[in-house]
Amino acid sequence: SAVISQKPSRDICQRGTSLTIQCQVDSQVTMMFWYRQQPGQSLTLIATANQGSEATYESGFVIDKFPISRPNLTFSTLTVSNMSPEDSSIYLCSASGLNTPSYNEQFFGPGTRLTVL
Amino acid sequence: KNQVEQSPQSLIILEGKNCTLQCNYTVSPFSNLRWYKQDTGRGPVSLTIMTFSENTKSNGRYTATLDADTKQSSLHITASQLSDSASYICVVSPWAGRSKLIFGTGTRLQVFP
Repeated sequence: SAVISQKPSRDICQRGTSLTIQCQVDSQVTMMFWYRQQPGQSLTLIATANQGSEATYESGFVIDKFPISRPNLTFSTLTVSNMSPEDSSIYLCSASGLNTPSYNEQFFGPGTRLTVL
Repeated sequence: KNQVEQSPQSLIILEGKNCTLQCNYTVSPFSNLRWYKQDTGRGPVSLTIMTFSENTKSNGRYTATLDADTKQSSLHITASQLSDSASYICVVSPWAGRSKLIFGTGTRLQVFP
């Protein structure tokens, strides 16, 4: 399995500001993902963070709002830009492509709880 | 449309009792089905992963079953403990080669002493 850490674990931000969330994996992984989990809801995929190229965004999510970086095989960042209260959510980093069978098992970080005032 | 539905939405049981959570999916094609446990304020942790050829898989007190013909899965928890209180999420992967997962909305389980 993989150990995935995220920073910060939580934050309270003012509307109009931006927050960058960091995700660190303790081993090299093929794929990294960013999810959003709103209160009482399941996980929604924001984008796939591609190493060395632009992230692949899901419908409803755009790069200007959620810029993503992935400079290497163990690290990624997600920025939530120009925040509004509707961005209050838990943001989760995930990774797959370790030494696992072909299930593409995904491991999740502990999440970043964001509150926008 | 690819969907994963879970029932019940929430469940309360007494410590030591057994319970079964249900998952129905309409995902096609189908590669594998996973059950995750998510404690409050934590990320999901994998309990089991089953391919279409597997009918059952156990992980300690957790036993998952899969019927690929009816597209149903269940997660049975035996002799529940207080630490089992969490959300249990059923997740389906359409392709072995793709990593995009389809998540159910989860069952919120509360175990009381």
